[in-house]
Amino acid sequence: GNSVTQMEGPVTLSEEAFLTINCTYTATGYPSLFWYVQYPGEGLQLLLKATKADDKGSNKGFEATYRKETTSFHLEKGSVQVSDSAVYFCALSSANQAGTALIFGKGTTLSVSS
Amino acid sequence: ETGVTQSPTHLIKTRGQQVTLRCSSQSGHNTVSWYQQALGQGPQFIFQYYREEENGRGNFPPRFSGLQFPNYSSELNVNALELDDSALYLCASSSQGAEGYTFGSGTRLTVV
Repeated sequence: GNSVTQMEGPVTLSEEAFLTINCTYTATGYPSLFWYVQYPGEGLQLLLKATKADDKGSNKGFEATYRKETTSFHLEKGSVQVSDSAVYFCALSSANQAGTALIFGKGTTLSVSS
Repeated sequence: ETGVTQSPTHLIKTRGQQVTLRCSSQSGHNTVSWYQQALGQGPQFIFQYYREEENGRGNFPPRFSGLQFPNYSSELNVNALELDDSALYLCASSSQGAEGYTFGSGTRLTVV
C-alpha cells in the first residue's frame, strides 16, 4: 500500500544553518506530495506541495522537489530561524474511487537555537 | 474567510463511554475528513464525508462513525472508548476534487 517514510528526529540546528529533512514515498500511480508543519498545541498547516514529477513546491524559504525516479520529496531551507522550530510532516494524497486521503509520515521535530 | 473550527478543544472521558467531536468546515469547502494523531505519530485517516455521505474510510473499526450536515459541518462519534483512543483528533475540510486541505486545531481526547 501507499506509505511515507521520513527521517527520524529530532533535528537540532543553530540559527542560519541549512536544513534538510528527507522524505521518501511508496505509491501506486502519481500522487501529489505535501509538507505540513505543526507548531506546539496547534493543528497542521500546509507548508508546500507539488502535484507532478519535477515540480518544485516552495513557501517561506522552504522548498521541495518531487523526484519520481528516487520517489523522494526532501524538504530544504537555506537558513533556518528559531521560529521554524516545529514538527514537519511529509504526506501524499491517495485517491481512489471513494475519495482522497492524506497519508502522513511520522513527523520530524526540528529545534532551532539562537 | 473563516477557517476550520473544532470543539471542544480538550475532553476527558472514561473507558467504555461515548464521545462526539464537532467540526465546522471552512467557508466554500464541501468535503470533511477526520484524522487521529496519537502522541509522537503522524495523523491517520479515519474517514471522509462529501454531500452527507461517507466517501472513503481508513483502517478504523465501526465504532468510529460520523455525520456531515447540509451546511457541511461534521461530527465524529466514537463508541465504547478504549484507552488507545486517546489522541488528537483533527478535522480537515476541502473542496471535492481539489487537494487543498485546511486543518483545524484539533480536539485532544484523553480516555482514562
